[in-house]
Amino acid sequence: GESVGLHLPTLSVQEGDNSIINCAYSNSASDYFIWYKQESGKGPQFIIDIRSNMDKRQGQRVTVLLNKTVKHLSLQIAATQPGDSAVYFCAEKKGGKLIFGQGTELSVKP
Amino acid sequence: NAGVTQTPKFRVLKTGQSMTLLCAQDMNHEYMYWYRQDPGMGLRLIHYSVGEGTTAKGEVPDGYNVSRLKKQNFLLGLESAAPSQTSVYFCASSSGGIQTQYFGPGTRLLVL
Repeated sequence: GESVGLHLPTLSVQEGDNSIINCAYSNSASDYFIWYKQESGKGPQFIIDIRSNMDKRQGQRVTVLLNKTVKHLSLQIAATQPGDSAVYFCAEKKGGKLIFGQGTELSVKP
Repeated sequence: NAGVTQTPKFRVLKTGQSMTLLCAQDMNHEYMYWYRQDPGMGLRLIHYSVGEGTTAKGEVPDGYNVSRLKKQNFLLGLESAAPSQTSVYFCASSSGGIQTQYFGPGTRLLVL
C-alpha cells in the first residue's frame, strides 16, 4: 500500500549541530510535500513545503530536500536550538488530502 | 486573530455517551478538517469540508459525523462513544486545497 513513513522514530542532537530528519514516501505521483513541527501539547505547525518540480527549498534555518528518484524527503535544521525539540511530521498530498507520516521526535541536548 | 480554536480542551466520556467537538477559525478559510492522532502515529483524517454546507469523508470516518453550517465553524460529533475513539482530535483549516493547513491546539478525549 501507499504510505508515508520516517526512517527513525527519535533523533538526539547537540545544541548548535545540524539536524537531518528523513522521510520516505511510496506514491510516486505525489506532487506536494509538507513538514510540520508539533511541540508537546500543541497542534502541528507548518514549517516548510516543497512541490515535486523542485529538489530543494530553503527557509529560515530549515531546508527541505526532495529526491524523487528514491522517493525520499528530508528536513535539515541548521544550528539546532533547544526550541527545536519537537516531533516532526512529513506529509504528502494524495488524492487531494494530506497523508501524514508517523513522526520523528527530535531532542536537543544543551 | 485567534486562528483555529477548539473546545473543549479535554473531555472524559463513558461508552455510549455522545458529544460534540467544536472548531472555530477566524481566517475566513474555505476548507476545514478534523484529524485524530493516536500514540506513535501520524494524523489521520476523519472528515473534511471544502465550504459552508459541504462535508466529505476522510480516511477514518466511521463513528463520527460532522456539520459545517457556518463557514467559520466545523463540528465533530460522536453519537455513541467507544473506547477506540480515545484520542487527541485536531481541527485544521486552509484557504484553499491543502497547501497550508493551520491547526488548532487539540482536544483530548478519553472514553471509558
